[in-house]
Amino acid sequence: AQSVTQLDSQVPVFEEAPVELRCNYSSSVSVYLFWYVQYPNQGLQLLLKYLSGSTLVKGINGFEAEFNKSQTSFHLRKPSVHISDTAEYFCAVSDPREYGNKLVFGAGTILRVKS
Amino acid sequence: EADIYQTPRYLVIGTGKKITLECSQTMGHDKMYWYQQDPGMELHLIHYSYGVNSTEKGDLSSESTVSRIRTEHFPLTLESARPSHTSQYLCASSGHRGSYEQYFGPGTRLTVT
Repeated sequence: AQSVTQLDSQVPVFEEAPVELRCNYSSSVSVYLFWYVQYPNQGLQLLLKYLSGSTLVKGINGFEAEFNKSQTSFHLRKPSVHISDTAEYFCAVSDPREYGNKLVFGAGTILRVKS
Repeated sequence: EADIYQTPRYLVIGTGKKITLECSQTMGHDKMYWYQQDPGMELHLIHYSYGVNSTEKGDLSSESTVSRIRTEHFPLTLESARPSHTSQYLCASSGHRGSYEQYFGPGTRLTVT
């Protein structure tokens, strides 16, 4: 069974600083990878996804992620964060061989942006 | 913009009551899912459906039940609520060809006293 590890439960960072949220997954076969963001009292919103092709994926709100197959990682980055980026971020993996688009999620990383 | 709705958003209810959490989507997606989310934990899949009259239990055992009588509607029912059911419940859907992501509703925060 696949698993996703988000290495940091909380990441504090000052406004306008760069940030990286780390994600590692367990599968050795091809996977689809996703990053979602959850603001307080809301559902999850898709930030970006990797299905195939270029390993650098750009998403909404200035976020990007890099797929690294050899390290089974999919880290999320933003060069300059804003207060409004304060939220919880979830990494998820899906097996394209399996019907149904089922996702396995990591435990989440809370990004706290300080002024 | 995804159109998936959940009601109620918040629910406080006493032990032993029967409750139904509603989930509807207007995107015509064939696949729908229910997740349970506790603070600091990953989302756990508790039910899913790949179409009308198709329902399956997810990875996390749950005492809840679901039904899928219409494509757009995927309600979750607890016959007798207990404090251990206190959690956030998120509904999601998926299904556009070539699109593998899930779209999430705003969630229902359930508290059983």
